Amino acid sequence: EAGVAQSPRYKIIEKRQSVAFWCNPISGHATLYWYQQILGQGPKLLIQFQNNGVVDDSQLPKDRFSAERLKGVDSTLKIQPAKLEDSAVYLCASSLQGATEAFFGQGTRLTVV
Amino acid sequence: SQQGEEDPQALSIQEGENATMNCSYKTSINNLQWYRQNSGRGLVHLILIRSNEREKHSGRLRVTLDTSKKSSSLLITASRAADTASYFCATDVGGSYIPTFGRGTSLIVHP
Repeated sequence: EAGVAQSPRYKIIEKRQSVAFWCNPISGHATLYWYQQILGQGPKLLIQFQNNGVVDDSQLPKDRFSAERLKGVDSTLKIQPAKLEDSAVYLCASSLQGATEAFFGQGTRLTVV
Repeated sequence: SQQGEEDPQALSIQEGENATMNCSYKTSINNLQWYRQNSGRGLVHLILIRSNEREKHSGRLRVTLDTSKKSSSLLITASRAADTASYFCATDVGGSYIPTFGRGTSLIVHP
């Protein structure tokens, strides 16, 4: 069974530039999460989708972050404009609807300089 | 805000020893999970324990849950160098089914 795919693996951008991350969840998983993990900390939820609808985006900095899951499968997370404090690993995870166990991708390591 | 907090923050042991990590949380939960994260990689699910369970085993892993104390422990027996990783507990807050993570315990197993 294929796992959660994320791209790119690494990205370096200058502050005030924009960046986008892509995630392809496990086939059949209705729930998709984006987490932000700052070095030395645990993952922090940014947004949860159920199919193509947003369930929780209370911790998403909406002035600069946006995410979509148009067809209820792939998802993109965008940052515009980026700040230095956005440097982190962005993790995508998916799960079956109503299940707690989440399967994670390898993450995208973003460095903002 | 983080629901779960792991203790200790860092643990260094010799191969063959047991490693114990603890997790405390603040509000009632339906489930508690433990994940492992190797350096530079995504998280791998280890074990899930439900609120009505007290203990669960999976290979060399033993997880306990005490809902009265709002705490859980993860025991890794006969540790190996390959167990070197960060370990996180994740709880679902108030029936949300959203895994909410603590800061993690960094485990180093010396060969």
